[in-house]
Order: sequence, then structure tokens, then C-alpha cells
Amino acid sequence: QVQLQESGPGLVKPSQTLSLTCTVSGTSISSGSYFWSWIRQHPGKGLEWVGYIYHSGSTYYNPSLKSRVTISVDTSKSQFSLKLNSVTAADTAVYYCARWVPPGWFDPWGQGTLVTVSS
Amino acid sequence: EIVLTQSPGSLSLSPGERATLSCRASQTVYNNYLAWYQQKVGQAPRLLIYGSSSRATGTPDRFSGSGSGTDFTLTISRLEPEDFAVYYCQQYGSSPWTFGHGTKVDMK
Repeated sequence: QVQLQESGPGLVKPSQTLSLTCTVSGTSISSGSYFWSWIRQHPGKGLEWVGYIYHSGSTYYNPSLKSRVTISVDTSKSQFSLKLNSVTAADTAVYYCARWVPPGWFDPWGQGTLVTVSS
Repeated sequence: EIVLTQSPGSLSLSPGERATLSCRASQTVYNNYLAWYQQKVGQAPRLLIYGSSSRATGTPDRFSGSGSGTDFTLTISRLEPEDFAVYYCQQYGSSPWTFGHGTKVDMK
């Protein structure tokens, strides 16, 4: 079955860049019409879609984060990555990767990884 | 962007009871493109319902979704112990895709 797994540092200093990678298994990242997504959840709060990427490299970002976000894909490694620059404490959250299924739900999700922004 | 308001914020019920969760959108959700997710403590959300009323693979039939336009409902007909969790709605009718803030269903 399709599985996703996030990896990356759990602690990032303010003003630096948050970098995470999602490894996809059980399917080809290049197959189908799926987009590969990042979603975050602030502690004790709701969910926020960050953005997603198609295997061709086309990206779409949430306008609220667009100026600071870059999502990239490496099909040879079956991975896609998130970079969020100029982070502040407000970017502290659990970051999930997920598959976006047209026309628009997320399934499945990775287990999530907590990233704390602190000096 | 479309804002989703879920109510109530929390619901205390007993196993066997019926749960009714509401999700109201700030504007009409195109084609009733609304999904529901279940999130248990320490776990990722899991897709339950898409297209307002279609159950995802593996979703028990005690879960049902309904609604259209701006008002949507998730009903759990008889709560099982494993159903106590937080439930989120998500719209995908208009980008950016947005989620509600969740309804927590806990055991009375």
C-alpha cells in the first residue's frame, strides 16, 4: 500500500530555513494524476495546506506562505521536499506529507514530524 | 479563501450513541467537494468521507456524510470506542484548500 514518511531536523533556529523530505513507497511518485503535498498542524490547532507538487515539477502554494515556500521533487529517489525560509516561532508545527487525490482530498498521510523553531 | 466553521467544538457522548457533527462554509463549496477526516491522538488524519457523502475505502458504514452548498454533516450512527477522536472537514472546491478547526468527540 502507499506509504509516506517525513524526515528532517526537529529543531530550527529563527530566521533560518526549515527543510523536510518525504519518501514515498508502495507506488511510483510519477504515476497517476496525484500531487504530493505538505500540510502542517500548529500545536493543538487545526490543519493548514502548505502546497503541493506534481511529478513534472509544477507547484502550487498556499498564498499565505507562497513567498517563503519551495517544494521540489526527486522522482529518482521517490522523494519530495519542503523548504520554508525565514522561519519564526509561528512556524512551529507538525508537518505532514500526503498524497493529494484529484479532485482534492488527501490520502494517505505520513505520520508527521514535529518541527520546533527556537534558538 | 473559504472558511470552514465546525460545530460543536467538542461533544461528550457514550458508546452506542449517535454523533452529529456540523461543518459550515463561508461560501458555497463547488460541486459539494467536501471531505471528512478522523484524527486520533498522536496520529495523522485519516480520510473518512469525500465528495460530501462517499465513504473512503475502509470507512465503516456507521459513518455517513451529507449536505450541500454551505452546510455539511458527518453522522456516526452508533459510536464505537475507537471512534473517539477529532474530526476535521476540508473543502476542495476552491483553492487554497482549507480545513475546519475540528470537533473533538470524547467519551462521557
